[in-house]
Amino acid sequence: GAGVSQSPSNKVTEKGKDVELRCDPISGHTALYWYRQSLGQGLEFLIYFQGNSAPDKSGLPSDRFSAERTGGSVSTLTIQRTQQEDSAVYLCASTRGTSETYEQYFGPGTRLTVT
Amino acid sequence: AQSVTQLDSQVPVFEEAPVELRCNYSSSVSVYLFWYVQYPNQGLQLLLKYLSGSTLVKGINGFEAEFNKSQTSFHLRKPSVHISDTAEYFCAVSDNSNYQLIWGAGTKLIIKP
Repeated sequence: GAGVSQSPSNKVTEKGKDVELRCDPISGHTALYWYRQSLGQGLEFLIYFQGNSAPDKSGLPSDRFSAERTGGSVSTLTIQRTQQEDSAVYLCASTRGTSETYEQYFGPGTRLTVT
Repeated sequence: AQSVTQLDSQVPVFEEAPVELRCNYSSSVSVYLFWYVQYPNQGLQLLLKYLSGSTLVKGINGFEAEFNKSQTSFHLRKPSVHISDTAEYFCAVSDNSNYQLIWGAGTKLIIKP
């Protein structure tokens, strides 16, 4: 079956512009994560969605970052007024649910470059 | 707070040689441990996991890892590497109280022909 997909694969934007990154999780997966992977760093947790519960936004680095998950499926991560330090690979992962949150299935990521 | 340390940012090794990628974690509670692999230009995928039971865990592609509670380590090993093992390997840990994984910074495995 189809895996987690993300679009665009690459995004170059000018400082100060807004960007939207999209994630399509595996069908039927109720949990969805966003991570940021900066060069030479591990994965930095950003936000977690589980079903219809309120998302855990504790990892969002500033109020310029927000995310939505519509209909319990597709998710969009929005970064407003981008800064150069936002340049990174943004990864999305999904899992079947709370009982299997450890086996995360990752998308290929979106490489964001802010010039 | 939990943390994960991958001591080597890069490990170069000759093809068909053995390899060990080191991972140490800090936690005073029972943990679940994971290794994920990221091939070039691909997403991460689960290589193996330790949840309970035998401390020697076997994963895909001939990799295995051993959970050592006294040394708080979960080192990844392969007896003979292949060029296709070129990738970045991430160690991650979670206690079972929440859904989050804490990630190491990754180790790039470089296979020399």
